[in-house]
Amino acid sequence: EAQVTQNPRYLITVTGKKLTVTCSQNMNHEYMSWYRQDPGLGLRQIYYSMNVEVTDKGDVPEGYKVSRKEKRNFPLILESPSPNQTSLYFCASTSGGQPQHFGDGTRLSIL
Amino acid sequence: KQEVTQIPAALSVPEGENLVLNCSFTDSAIYNLQWFRQDPGKGLTSLLLIQSSQREQTSGRLNASLDKSSGRSTLYIAASQPGDSATYLCAVGGSARQLTFGSGTQLTVLP
Repeated sequence: EAQVTQNPRYLITVTGKKLTVTCSQNMNHEYMSWYRQDPGLGLRQIYYSMNVEVTDKGDVPEGYKVSRKEKRNFPLILESPSPNQTSLYFCASTSGGQPQHFGDGTRLSIL
Repeated sequence: KQEVTQIPAALSVPEGENLVLNCSFTDSAIYNLQWFRQDPGKGLTSLLLIQSSQREQTSGRLNASLDKSSGRSTLYIAASQPGDSATYLCAVGGSARQLTFGSGTQLTVLP
């Protein structure tokens, strides 16, 4: 089954404690990206990757890092999380002109 | 910068009605346009993808149209059912595959 898998699905943590949200896709897609969804602000892109070792900033990249060492994986790293990064996060992937596939989301709460 | 607007923000209809959801965007230089459905606390499910060269796409009771010159897309839902209740999101795809989302239309179909 074609899917985008995110882990963890839920996480409560504290300010400053480094965390990583993993994203993996099994569709051999070149393009992967991260979004955050906030009430009243909608979905906004954080980072994207056009292929292995190629990443670029989206609209709201501050406080986040990404890496793309393998085609299937695109982890989102919060080096020093802060409360304003409390949000619902989605990973997505696509290839060519195909529809973008989204993961089920990761709900992060940073206290 | 691309801006996407969805009207109405919320819509409540009785079961069986045909309905139209509207999406407008400011920059006509788009790569594609995708309609998603999001259920509360869940991820995004792709409904329809329209490439920039296409005028419409159909899937079952759903029909989406695209008019690039006027910066508009509509999602038509025929014979609505309570199971159609969800938030519907319009997303415009740029040349770098980034999606710019509207704020969504929350649809409630009453039995």
